[in-house]
Amino acid sequence: TQLLEQSPQFLSIQEGENLTVYCNSSSVFSSLQWYRQEPGEGPVLLVTVVTGGEVKKLKRLTFQFGDARKDSSLHITAAQTGDTGLYLCAGANSNYQLIWGAGTKLIIKP
Amino acid sequence: NAGVTQTPKFRILKIGQSMTLQCAQDMNHNYMYWYRQDPGMGLKLIYYSVGAGITDKGEVPNGYNVSRSTTEDFPLRLELAAPSQTSVYFCASSPQGIKNSPLHFGNGTRLTVT
Repeated sequence: TQLLEQSPQFLSIQEGENLTVYCNSSSVFSSLQWYRQEPGEGPVLLVTVVTGGEVKKLKRLTFQFGDARKDSSLHITAAQTGDTGLYLCAGANSNYQLIWGAGTKLIIKP
Repeated sequence: NAGVTQTPKFRILKIGQSMTLQCAQDMNHNYMYWYRQDPGMGLKLIYYSVGAGITDKGEVPNGYNVSRSTTEDFPLRLELAAPSQTSVYFCASSPQGIKNSPLHFGNGTRLTVT
């Protein structure tokens, strides 16, 4: 069974601080997607990374795909209260199925 | 453009009852999916469809059924509700398979079985 482990499970920090969320697996993925989910809503795609070593930036969010395509990280610079939410990673395997991490619940305090 | 619409938003069922969770998308997407989300767990795929008339089992299909008579609609049926089916259910769609396109999610149906 393929697993995608996210860490930390929960993170509460002050506005203005930096943070990194990790998504790790022993399996290789053809691509990896990051989603953000707010209470009472469905996940919304933030970014897809495809190439090993790829780095993508979305304003203050930086996403990196590991060289071996087994892991990924999301770094937020100068977190804002609007960044609060559940962050989910999902890897596409060779059977074209999405394997989901359990999520990181992020709370940014004003 | 409504995207993916799920109804109802909330539902409480007694053990043994049945119900249908509705899902409709107006983006003309071929692929549609049903997931359940439980606290502390990743999204689990229940069923998926690659086009009208075609459905296939996902990771956790037991206790559920689906149909796909049109491109737009993908209802999920629970025949004999059990407490283990208490969860939040999400329907999603994509224009192509997951390798090439992201999922568009509805806002979910929160189901409680008591």
